[in-house]
Amino acid sequence: EPEVTQTPSHQVTQMGQEVILRCVPISNHLYFYWYRQILGQKVEFLVSFYNNEISEKSEIFDDQFSVERPDGSNFTLKIRSTKLEDSAMYFCAKTPGDGYTFGSGTRLTVV
Amino acid sequence: AQRVTQPEKLLSVFKGAPVELKCNYSYSGSPELFWYVQYSRQRLQLLLRHISRESIKGFTADLNKGETSFHLKKPFAQEEDSAMYYCALPREGSYIPTFGRGTSLIVHP
Repeated sequence: EPEVTQTPSHQVTQMGQEVILRCVPISNHLYFYWYRQILGQKVEFLVSFYNNEISEKSEIFDDQFSVERPDGSNFTLKIRSTKLEDSAMYFCAKTPGDGYTFGSGTRLTVV
Repeated sequence: AQRVTQPEKLLSVFKGAPVELKCNYSYSGSPELFWYVQYSRQRLQLLLRHISRESIKGFTADLNKGETSFHLKKPFAQEEDSAMYYCALPREGSYIPTFGRGTSLIVHP
């Protein structure tokens, strides 16, 4: 089963800056998901993406966030104007497979 | 709305001792429940799901609808079992999992 690869593993950004988190490369997968985990808290669902469209999103996923698959393989999460409280681990996941296959995560630190 | 509760943030046992990681849920309907594990510096991965009724790495979990529980058990803990364990069930009206806050299991030698 191909793994889910995320880049970068750690990103530090200044408050107010835009960041783009990536799942690369993924091919022949239709379903993608983003989750986040604020330090010491639970893993929270952000958004699911199916067939190049958002299929479901949580209340966390507001206008600050967007997802796309710009080149047919990379799956990106963009945070437009980062806030301190956006500091978290962000996990990409995909199906189908045995359950959900998660990436190793990107640690985003907003300073 | 669905809810997953893992009441213990930390569970510390000695090698060879029995382990039970608790998970309670609320869900309208018949949920599909999962346990995920995250070893240190590794990705979240599926440990087991209740519909498969299998034992993985010596762990089992039985769905108790009366008590709305899905506790994870292992009769003899090993040091390599030390990890974060997350109970999960789908968001209502969806198949996408919602996770509990996790329980950190530490197995001492």
